Amino acid sequence: QKEVEQDPGPLSVPEGAIVSLNCTYSNSAFQYFMWYRQYSRKGPELLMYTYSSGNKEDGRFTAQVDKSSKYISLFIRDSQPSDSATYLCAMSAVRETSGSRLTFGEGTQLTVNP
Amino acid sequence: DGGITQSPKYLFRKEGQNVTLSCEQNLNHDAMYWYRQDPGQGLRLIYYSQIVNDFQKGDIAEGYSVSREKKESFPLTVTSAQKNPTAFYLCASRRRAGSNIQYFGAGTRLSVL
Repeated sequence: QKEVEQDPGPLSVPEGAIVSLNCTYSNSAFQYFMWYRQYSRKGPELLMYTYSSGNKEDGRFTAQVDKSSKYISLFIRDSQPSDSATYLCAMSAVRETSGSRLTFGEGTQLTVNP
Repeated sequence: DGGITQSPKYLFRKEGQNVTLSCEQNLNHDAMYWYRQDPGQGLRLIYYSQIVNDFQKGDIAEGYSVSREKKESFPLTVTSAQKNPTAFYLCASRRRAGSNIQYFGAGTRLSVL
């Protein structure tokens, strides 16, 4: 079983829709949670970064972490065609030891249709 | 502009050939990473380095080698021992202290001729 599970999609929504992307994980030591956006044939770029449980909002994007359920989410409000990309969740247990390795989900491919 | 530069963007390897992928960063980051991305498998860690002249194997190091002679540079060699090298290779870097965030280059797509 993978440490991080993410539905690969593809997910297709109309412009303006609210998008919900999710990851579940099994390692209770994970404390740092990230969402990256990756456009086709490009490197991932950081969207959101959260520590422990709670919510974080940045513009149209909201990240939620529920450590008790080992579940994280990314919500995109008023989705735009420019949001069409693959979204990767990533997690890390500690900062300095073991190189602060990130464990990634498989990525969810999102298409927002005009 | 500060960032991570990977070159070349596309690379072709012949059977039995070693090829080297370049990764350079001017962010003054201490740690650097190499990942391999395949469809349906997400990003898998090949090697990482937290400091110059030191590096550790990741989850799929077999058939790959790295060096870290300079803080700015972390080249990856795909050796002939890597029997399935076709993939998208991503280099990342991180400040050593204070953050787990990794920043990525634009990637190199390697194909076998």
